[in-house]
Amino acid sequence: AQTVTQSQPEMSVQEAETVTLSCTYDTSESDYYLFWYKQPPSRQMILVIRQEAYKQQNATENRFSVNFQKAAKSFSLKISDSQLGDAAMYFCAFITGTASKLTFGTGTRLQVTL
Amino acid sequence: NAGVMQNPRHLVRRRGQEARLRCSPMKGHSHVYWYRQLPEEGLKFMVYLQKENIIDESGMPKERFSAEFPKEGPSILRIQQVVRGDSAAYFCASSYDSYNEKLFFGSGTQLSVL
Repeated sequence: AQTVTQSQPEMSVQEAETVTLSCTYDTSESDYYLFWYKQPPSRQMILVIRQEAYKQQNATENRFSVNFQKAAKSFSLKISDSQLGDAAMYFCAFITGTASKLTFGTGTRLQVTL
Repeated sequence: NAGVMQNPRHLVRRRGQEARLRCSPMKGHSHVYWYRQLPEEGLKFMVYLQKENIIDESGMPKERFSAEFPKEGPSILRIQQVVRGDSAAYFCASSYDSYNEKLFFGSGTQLSVL
């Protein structure tokens, strides 16, 4: 079975600080993609960052970067210089090359404080 | 350049009624996916459709749920004889091709069953 585990139901960070959200996954496939989605109160699912499993280099998008450890099946998200607008639910997800569906974790609720 | 459009945004039904959720994919996209999000959970895959075809319905409940994506018009997720447990947010996503690591999500329909 393919699973995604987000062990932090809630996290809090002060504005301008850095926070890391953890995610582990399990799959027997070697070809897959990993994602972090942001879901603000508006409910819109917004793609934050994606990583191809065959790439060793960690993906980066502005203040967002990942630490992809393929052997450990770990895919954490680092948010630098946190802003109030970063407050949301964050979902880790992956899809394998042979499947047609994303598998999501249960999410981490991020609070950003002044 | 409209994104994925879902309507209605909120739908209230009494037990036993039918719910019809509509999804218009992004322009040029012929692949549609439906996901369900129960409260405090991640999204769970339901069904994957291409124009006029169901490709993967492994996540669809065996009874009362059906989906279609006709040649013309939006994709429809239909839930017959709704029960309280059907209350959830239903998301539609679309992609240009079957490489759905480039999915675009709609804002979802919140179904409330009284």
